[in-house]
Amino acid sequence: DAGVIQSPRHEVTEMGQEVTLRCKPISGHNSLFWYRQTMMRGLELLIYFNNNVPIDDSGMPEDRFSAKMPNASFSTLKIQPSEPRDSAVYFCASSFGSASTDTQYFGPGTRLTVL
Amino acid sequence: GQSLEQPSEVTAVEGAIVQINCTYQTSGFYGLSWYQQHDGGAPTFLSYNGLDGLEETGRFSSFLSRSDSYGYLLLQELQMKDSASYFCAVREARRDDKIIFGKGTRLHILP
Repeated sequence: DAGVIQSPRHEVTEMGQEVTLRCKPISGHNSLFWYRQTMMRGLELLIYFNNNVPIDDSGMPEDRFSAKMPNASFSTLKIQPSEPRDSAVYFCASSFGSASTDTQYFGPGTRLTVL
Repeated sequence: GQSLEQPSEVTAVEGAIVQINCTYQTSGFYGLSWYQQHDGGAPTFLSYNGLDGLEETGRFSSFLSRSDSYGYLLLQELQMKDSASYFCAVREARRDDKIIFGKGTRLHILP
């Protein structure tokens, strides 16, 4: 099992540019989560999908952030335009179901730096 | 609002026992989970408490008391590789089932 796959692992961009982060969940998992981690704010849930449908996007900071899950094996998180305060590690996680008992498996993360 | 509180740092000696506490303020939740994260790595699941009481998994145990709004992670026979950050998390029992993580506790282990 390859685990959750994220790309790119590192991204450095300039303020105002569009950034797209990608995630492939574990095959057979039907819940997918996007998190952002910073020293100041810790680990924050941005959005999660169940069966490709967004369930809770209340953590998405603002309209500059958008997420899609066109099929069960792929999701993107897009920031447009990016700002320096978006610099963080972005994790994608997946779980078999959406119940609280379902273990979430995290990807390796994408370290984003916005200059 | 809803929040989880953990100590920011804890220091212990190799071979000893350490307890990491998590207190929460939320109107209702399904259960308390614990995750471990090494520097530069991703969080990995350690344990889940859906009911009050103690859950044991090898050297790690986790405890939940809903009446006290309190839980803890207990690590025994500490090893240097246990140096990491530990996060508690809950899924709130609301329509959107929002997931909240604590800010994490950095565990330093001394030889």
